[in-house]
Amino acid sequence: DIQMTQSPSSLSASVGDRVTITCRASQSISNYLTWFQQKPGKAPKLLIYTASTLQSGVPSRFSGSGSGTVFTLTISSLQPEDFATYYCQQSFSTPRTFGQGTKVEIK
Amino acid sequence: QVQLQESGPGLVKPSQTLSLTCTVSGGSINSGRYSWTWLRQSAGKGLEWIGRFFTHGGTNYSPSLKSRLTISVDTSKNQFSLKLSSVTAADTAIYFCARETDFWNGYSEIPYFDFWGQGTPVTVSS
Repeated sequence: DIQMTQSPSSLSASVGDRVTITCRASQSISNYLTWFQQKPGKAPKLLIYTASTLQSGVPSRFSGSGSGTVFTLTISSLQPEDFATYYCQQSFSTPRTFGQGTKVEIK
Repeated sequence: QVQLQESGPGLVKPSQTLSLTCTVSGGSINSGRYSWTWLRQSAGKGLEWIGRFFTHGGTNYSPSLKSRLTISVDTSKNQFSLKLSSVTAADTAIYFCARETDFWNGYSEIPYFDFWGQGTPVTVSS
């Protein structure tokens, strides 16, 4: 199985801050990488697919980059509604695997 | 807009079989080229991919669950189902169904989950 490792596991930030989350794959996955946002009691919400393609309706302050084994999710200016847990997921092979999550909390 | 909705018992006794159904609305489960997928989320193991079936036929299961798992489809009801046998407390989780589609970038198809159900909690306990 491909292992996905996110860092940090949690972070505290203020509204307006720039936030970057890193995801590392245990082997090259090209750009077979998706980012999700999850709020308590809700299903994961698709933010970015193919590592850098923004899902329709997702604010442009979210962006993704990377290829191979290292990927980043950036929120350019954190908004109150962005406080949530973020997950990366690989679709290069089955079983699909997810990172352990990064919880973004209010400072 | 495609919508998915999980249903099934919230409590299952150890050693019994967990049965869940995912009802799809807003589109036919039989059309297009999708993977209809089950996943689960627990505090201990995070988000975990369970298995899927393809609209063009076939299934694909997680190796760790394969011996206990069956995923089937009822196209007349636009539903797909999960049966997990011999459950233990380790199977306690929120279970999600989701659709996986592909993005064609000009030289390869890259899968991603675009629609999810809201999730249904399942507890394994006597």
